[in-house]
Amino acid sequence: DAKTTQPPSMDCAEGRAANLPCNHSTISGNEYVYWYRQIHSQGPQYIIHGLKNNETNEMASLIITEDRKSSTLILPHATLRDTAVYYCIVYSGGGADGLTFGKGTHLIIQP
Amino acid sequence: SAVISQKPSRDICQRGTSLTIQCQVDSQVTMMFWYRQQPGQSLTLIATANQGSEATYESGFVIDKFPISRPNLTFSTLTVSNMSPEDSSIYLCSVSGTGGSGQYFGPGTRLLVL
Repeated sequence: DAKTTQPPSMDCAEGRAANLPCNHSTISGNEYVYWYRQIHSQGPQYIIHGLKNNETNEMASLIITEDRKSSTLILPHATLRDTAVYYCIVYSGGGADGLTFGKGTHLIIQP
Repeated sequence: SAVISQKPSRDICQRGTSLTIQCQVDSQVTMMFWYRQQPGQSLTLIATANQGSEATYESGFVIDKFPISRPNLTFSTLTVSNMSPEDSSIYLCSVSGTGGSGQYFGPGTRLLVL
């Protein structure tokens, strides 16, 4: 079973910041938080990951609470192409194990 | 990042037949995985394709139904055997990236079983 809880769907206006929450209250000390997204009819795409510090890359920012029990993925200026299902995954496999996907959040960017 | 291709991209098959899906990576990778995504559902891990040894299957998936080959570090196949309509899904392969950069997924194979 997935170790994360996400809202099933969210709306966001184009050009605004999209903030996607994820609860992972049972995360272990060696588990990272990974975010992927799946645009309709495509394979999932890696977005970002972090352990305990906040992270930023060209796609998004990841904010992890101090107790590591929850996190927020931020898309700073959402576009229509960001409409997708976003998956939050906790993972410690170091690349050796497959991923356990939850149901994710269907983010819809409104024009 | 790795570039992954899958063949076929889609197929329509009759029940009782088998289909072999190919996954090709543009670089050598240690770990390759196969997932299934049933209609309207999330992804479920089927197995880890091990080079030089038998695949490691997740609970609920068996080798007789989903035989997997991994002849080298850039290629793997998944066969869906004795298909039924319940096997209608998207089948995806993935590989582990380097430096903890997560996994890279292929575009998927859309299978419809009639």
